[in-house]
Amino acid sequence: DGGITQSPKYLFRKEGQNVTLSCEQNLNHDAMYWYRQDPGQGLRLIYYSQIVNDFQKGDIAEGYSVSREKKESFPLTVTSAQKNPTAFYLCASSLRVRADTQYFGPGTRLTVL
Amino acid sequence: SQKIEQNSEALNIQEGKTATLTCNYTNYSPAYLQWYRQDPGRGPVFLLLIRENEKEKRKERLKVTFDTTLKQSLFHITASQPADSATYLCALNTNAGKSTFGDGTTLTVKP
Repeated sequence: DGGITQSPKYLFRKEGQNVTLSCEQNLNHDAMYWYRQDPGQGLRLIYYSQIVNDFQKGDIAEGYSVSREKKESFPLTVTSAQKNPTAFYLCASSLRVRADTQYFGPGTRLTVL
Repeated sequence: SQKIEQNSEALNIQEGKTATLTCNYTNYSPAYLQWYRQDPGRGPVFLLLIRENEKEKRKERLKVTFDTTLKQSLFHITASQPADSATYLCALNTNAGKSTFGDGTTLTVKP
């Protein structure tokens, strides 16, 4: 899992509650990403960040928010506005946004009851 | 609209045979293409990258080809082993750097 940690591995929340997923990297990478993966499907980009204090929406940003106050950290908040939040969430980083390879964390499986 | 298709959801082969996975795309002009391996409940792991001006890349038992005319990449695993069983994802990247992933192909290698 290459220097990227995500916590917790499993997370349960009640409907209507906001929840924040943690992502930390010690690879000194500038770029960080959040993806969502649903069963049998590929990864869909939620948000990405090229540098500290900067981030852009991906393909499915509605109902999510992020912050990038430190280079090492890129937390994702799943808000109550996200209609189908139950999914597997993956964080990744790369040297730069236009770099070749993304390194992924182990993922957080979020279940909203 | 842009679309990435990976061949059949599941591929079953016998140990020792060559597995061939396909990634087709439409309405896309990728600068490069990547293949990742994903095991159940874990994050993807990078395997190989091939650029638009390259025809073929190899790494040990893995080979990737990239045909921009056919808009297709083929991913081969030779002398397959049960340990190669996993889901394989292709990802296309434009010069802007954003990656778009296919849905993946689940490979099962039977002993």
